[in-house]
Amino acid sequence: EVQLVQSGAEVKKPGESLKISCQGSGYNFITYWIAWVRQMPGEGLEWMGIIYPGGSDIRYSPSFQGQVTISVDKSITTAYLQWASLKASDTAVYYCARVVDKCIDHWGQGTLVTVSS
Amino acid sequence: EIVMTQSPVTLSVSPGERATLSCRASQSVSSNLAWFQQKPGQAPRLLIYGASARATGIPARFSGSGSGTEFTLTISSLQSEDFAVYYCQQYNKWSYTFGQGTKVEIE
Repeated sequence: EVQLVQSGAEVKKPGESLKISCQGSGYNFITYWIAWVRQMPGEGLEWMGIIYPGGSDIRYSPSFQGQVTISVDKSITTAYLQWASLKASDTAVYYCARVVDKCIDHWGQGTLVTVSS
Repeated sequence: EIVMTQSPVTLSVSPGERATLSCRASQSVSSNLAWFQQKPGQAPRLLIYGASARATGIPARFSGSGSGTEFTLTISSLQSEDFAVYYCQQYNKWSYTFGQGTKVEIE
């Protein structure tokens, strides 16, 4: 069974750094792209970027380029999303998802990130 | 960036009735279009990919059609578990983009 298990909810202050994770199992991790998707409170879905674990090829959506960093550690089948300096507007649920032939087919459970002073 | 526009924003339907949701792309996405369902507090779920192919385990009452710039998701007979928000998403051209969603609510 394909599973994507994300790290738990985080509460941070503006200016702090953060790295959240997404561990894949039940499939050959390095042969499928992993996507990160943001959902702000009460809002829709926004595609942030994708990474290919097999070669570490990374693409960012223009709105998120320079705002976040996507990485992967294929030895532990885990993808990461990180911020160097959080803002209140980063408060959202972040989903990782597996991508097959450019289409998302499985989602993680989501990680709630709350940024508040 | 390709802009995806869904209509209506909210659709009020009675159980057992048919629901038709629309999605329009600002430029052609060929058949590289997916539909997702999201219930409150849950992750989205893939319903349709390739504009018309049902994902594994998705009931036959869900169907997708269209190509190019105009797409439709039809739910033939709404069940109680189908009341949710539905998103279309194009994956033809990077950066991939979602529509703003259509909420299907009980009339």
